[in-house]
Amino acid sequence: GAGVSQTPSNKVTEKGKYVELRCDPISGHTALYWYRQSLGQGPEFLIYFQGTGAADDSGLPNDRFFAVRPEGSVSTLKIQRTERGDSAVYLCASRPTSGTLNTGELFFGEGSRLTVL
Amino acid sequence: AQKITQTQPGMFVQEKEAVTLDCTYDTSDPSYGLFWYKQPSSGEMIFLIYQGSYDQQNATEGRYSLNFQKARKSANLVISASQLGDSAMYFCAMRRSSGGYNKLIFGAGTRLAVHP
Repeated sequence: GAGVSQTPSNKVTEKGKYVELRCDPISGHTALYWYRQSLGQGPEFLIYFQGTGAADDSGLPNDRFFAVRPEGSVSTLKIQRTERGDSAVYLCASRPTSGTLNTGELFFGEGSRLTVL
Repeated sequence: AQKITQTQPGMFVQEKEAVTLDCTYDTSDPSYGLFWYKQPSSGEMIFLIYQGSYDQQNATEGRYSLNFQKARKSANLVISASQLGDSAMYFCAMRRSSGGYNKLIFGAGTRLAVHP
């Protein structure tokens, strides 16, 4: 498809387990963002990639959270030793960093809903 | 610190009527951008409209317009001729233009229900 793709769409896990969430951005988009959206709240910034490097990871809540983008396209958000408070929808977004469309809008996927029991 | 405030948790509107969703923001940056996104039940965030802090005119996109009042730091979204498909969560967001990248800060959102 032409949009941002996120898998899995739903993930249920037990407290203490390890989880990986995958994001496949729009082809050619060099900038990639991860956001977390808790119930009833707006999305909160987690991390931003420009190409392969994490340019800003200031939103990661603690060292249990880590994200990679080894080839500058697909990104994986990794959560170790999951806790019930990690339950949320994890949204991925991408955008081109150049071109005529320069309002800076982000193109979002439909998110991965994580439930930690 | 930058902050977006949406004071209306929920709004109701009759089909074909206009509705205004409120958004106020706080920033010390002279250059910034303001966005509105729609989030239907599917979960995807859909971009609606953008306003740059130096834009002289209010942004419009079809049935969406942004009532930008810079001195009051408000950026309200106006939806004209509401349709049943407009029922969704609406988020106001702000981007700081300095820093070289477009990290968006979102408000808590307003849930809009359009009644037939």
